[in-house]
Amino acid sequence: KAGVTQTPRYLIKTRGQQVTLSCSPISGHRSVSWYQQTPGQGLQFLFEYFSETQRNKGNFPGRFSGRQFSNSRSEMNVSTLELGDSALYLCASRGSDTQYFGPGTRLTVL
Amino acid sequence: AQRVTQPEKLLSVFKGAPVELKCNYSYSGSPELFWYVQYSRQRLQLLLRHISRESIKGFTADLNKGETSFHLKKPFAQEEDSAMYYCALSKDSGYSTLTFGKGTMLLVSP
Repeated sequence: KAGVTQTPRYLIKTRGQQVTLSCSPISGHRSVSWYQQTPGQGLQFLFEYFSETQRNKGNFPGRFSGRQFSNSRSEMNVSTLELGDSALYLCASRGSDTQYFGPGTRLTVL
Repeated sequence: AQRVTQPEKLLSVFKGAPVELKCNYSYSGSPELFWYVQYSRQRLQLLLRHISRESIKGFTADLNKGETSFHLKKPFAQEEDSAMYYCALSKDSGYSTLTFGKGTMLLVSP
């Protein structure tokens, strides 16, 4: 089985811009979760989608949003980027035993 | 709210020495506990979960509900064990949302 894939792998944006990240889960997995990883805060849960519906949400401002498509692919969007949004954004799809993580998208905000 | 604490940012040992990476959690319910590992330039991957009570790559972890701990142990460290280790908690068996500790870097020297 192919693993979780994320595109793009690297992204550079400037403050105030918006960005969209994409995640394709493992085939057959219907749940997709997003995490933000930073040196200071570590791994923090953003949100989870299941069958195109947001099922759980972490403690992030409304600038962070996401969606899931009928094929389970998911996107997350960050609007009005701030310097502090620079991070590695990880996507994970849930199997029967745990979550499987993608390689991440490294977002740098200048 | 649930919380996971890994008190050591860095643990440095010599090859062949015993290793214990500490993890404490706070959660009022019955959580599922996991250890994830991230080797250099690789994606985050599951090492083991408490419910399976298995040993992976020589590592074991026992859930101590009284002390709310889930420490990771290995009797004889190997150089290839050098990696970042994250303890994680899920509130339910759905594993949809993981709360991570900030991680411990394990360095095994020859």
